[in-house]
Amino acid sequence: DGGITQSPKYLFRKEGQNVTLSCEQNLNHDAMYWYRQDPGQGLRLIYYSQIVNDFQKGDIAEGYSVSREKKESFPLTVTSAQKNPTAFYLCASNRGGNTGELFFGEGSRLTVL
Amino acid sequence: QQQVKQSPQSLIVQKGGISIINCAYENTAFDYFPWYQQFPGKGPALLIAIRPDVSEKKEGRFTISFNKSAKQFSLHIMDSQPGDSATYFCAAFEGVTSGTYKYIFGTGTRLKVLA
Repeated sequence: DGGITQSPKYLFRKEGQNVTLSCEQNLNHDAMYWYRQDPGQGLRLIYYSQIVNDFQKGDIAEGYSVSREKKESFPLTVTSAQKNPTAFYLCASNRGGNTGELFFGEGSRLTVL
Repeated sequence: QQQVKQSPQSLIVQKGGISIINCAYENTAFDYFPWYQQFPGKGPALLIAIRPDVSEKKEGRFTISFNKSAKQFSLHIMDSQPGDSATYFCAAFEGVTSGTYKYIFGTGTRLKVLA
């Protein structure tokens, strides 16, 4: 079955540590996105990528970094510079361009202790 | 920096009633307006979507009404069921017009349908 796989589902980290969230898709989609979800704030765009080796900052990119070395993979690193990293992180993808439906993964919940 | 405003924040409806969620936007470059449904601990899933050249779209019990001049769109859930209890997000997509290709989401509405 095609879909988006995020791992780990739950992650705990100590303050000052970097952590990388994995996102893999087998939908052959060109575009991939990372969103952060906090209660009452909806989904806020962190980074997005339309093609391999290219990505753009979203509305809340500070303290995060990404790479897009392969079409199917778009990992997100939450760095120690992110002041409030505890959140639910969602990865999504679509065919790219003006195509419409965005498909989401199951999310990764990060808790900073 | 909220470009899509969603209301209400929460909604309680009796089984069989109509649930209505509203969204408003400012950016005229938006050219696709989807609604997503999210259950606790899961990723959102597309429910229904509309493009601005259409004023209404219906799929089963779900209807989007779109008012381009007012820059508003709404989701109507007819005959609401307890299984519809979830969080609903409206969104707007900025595509060809601006060349940005990104989705902006509303803040979400937590719907509870009472049995």
